[in-house]
Amino acid sequence: GQQLNQSPQSMFIQEGEDVSMNCTSSSIFNTWLWYKQDPGEGPVLLIALYKAGELTSNGRLTAQFGITRKDSFLNISASIPSDVGIYFCAGQYGGATNKLIFGTGTLLAVQP
Amino acid sequence: NAGVMQNPRHLVRRRGQEARLRCSPMKGHSHVYWYRQLPEEGLKFMVYLQKENIIDESGMPKERFSAEFPKEGPSILRIQQVVRGDSAAYFCASSRADHAGELFFGEGSRLTVL
Repeated sequence: GQQLNQSPQSMFIQEGEDVSMNCTSSSIFNTWLWYKQDPGEGPVLLIALYKAGELTSNGRLTAQFGITRKDSFLNISASIPSDVGIYFCAGQYGGATNKLIFGTGTLLAVQP
Repeated sequence: NAGVMQNPRHLVRRRGQEARLRCSPMKGHSHVYWYRQLPEEGLKFMVYLQKENIIDESGMPKERFSAEFPKEGPSILRIQQVVRGDSAAYFCASSRADHAGELFFGEGSRLTVL
């Protein structure tokens, strides 16, 4: 099945650093979403983006819907230890099917 | 306000047995989705259902797998004659009809086939 290209694959940073990750697709999406998954848990929705060029924040998280509608990025400012986890982007075509296509994930490790 | 409820959380089956995974969507949500996740991989779409209807099953294997979302009761993902390759985490998600872009996931059901 199709998956989105997400980078970097993993990041190891110090507490307090800013983090940036992005997602690219060969297809155009109507919606981009970012999820975080902790070990043994289900993904938790962080941010949803609905319009090309849209920039949305949720606390220390900021995400943007690329103007080409084929990419999105997520920034985390001033990282803290509880930011550790796997971050997934997801794209949705819309229309008859609402299924999400998920990225390959970015593993974030934060050293106190 | 309960989230998406999945059970069982863990299921062990021997090859050839049947596995049934249940999902109760969030209150007010009429759309249900099933995803499969292998260790250290992303989530792969399997099937999208609304009440009594399968909308998109393009990610569902053609044999041994089936899903339903009856008028009453939870959605069921059924795997017949399980094989070792079916071992994975199966996640259910739900969404509202008017916010179909925002999927909320359950904690997952982890199937191990011996």
